[in-house]
Amino acid sequence: DAKTTQPPSMDCAEGRAANLPCNHSTISGNEYVYWYRQIHSQGPQYIIHGLKNNETNEMASLIITEDRKSSTLILPHATLRDTAVYYCIVIRSGSARQLTFGSGTQLTVLP
Amino acid sequence: GAVVSQHPSWVICKSGTSVKIECRSLDFQATTMFWYRQFPKQSLMLMATSNEGSKATYEQGVEKDKFLINHASLTLSTLTVTSAHPEDSSFYICSPRRSDEQYFGPGTRLTVT
Repeated sequence: DAKTTQPPSMDCAEGRAANLPCNHSTISGNEYVYWYRQIHSQGPQYIIHGLKNNETNEMASLIITEDRKSSTLILPHATLRDTAVYYCIVIRSGSARQLTFGSGTQLTVLP
Repeated sequence: GAVVSQHPSWVICKSGTSVKIECRSLDFQATTMFWYRQFPKQSLMLMATSNEGSKATYEQGVEKDKFLINHASLTLSTLTVTSAHPEDSSFYICSPRRSDEQYFGPGTRLTVT
């Protein structure tokens, strides 16, 4: 599975959009980009995933560059409850392997 | 759907005792169960993988005789920390897998005194 690189921390003002970048320059054609988050002392929570097209759901939007070497998770209107560690994970579709977590990005939403 | 429960959510035990953590997939059957642990300010690290009815496969550095995993059914897996020591204090998270999707339990905070 491709390696990912994320900034260790970011701040965002409450009510503003939070844009979390992820670099995955070695991604293969059959590998998906997944985003999870972990609020303190809880299990990881699935946010969104995509292959090459931009995706949107009730939680967030995922923007994947055309060359697929990077992506951005967008929380359109961040709230204090969005303060968490966000993990970007690349994994092959149908893989029997487990999700491997890097160090992620600590997002702090400020009042 | 895809509700996962863990019990207990937190436990304090004395050094040398054993602790059992249960993980249940409440509304689906999990063919594979992953167990992770997370030390303070660190990321999740995979401990072991188990398939229903089979012996677990442990990651390098994880003692199989210390962390006993039972995956006797498609909806229940247990992790027993035997002869716990303070360095086993951690956040333990189960992660059942169904088809291509991996889900996560809420975690169990273990403190060994």
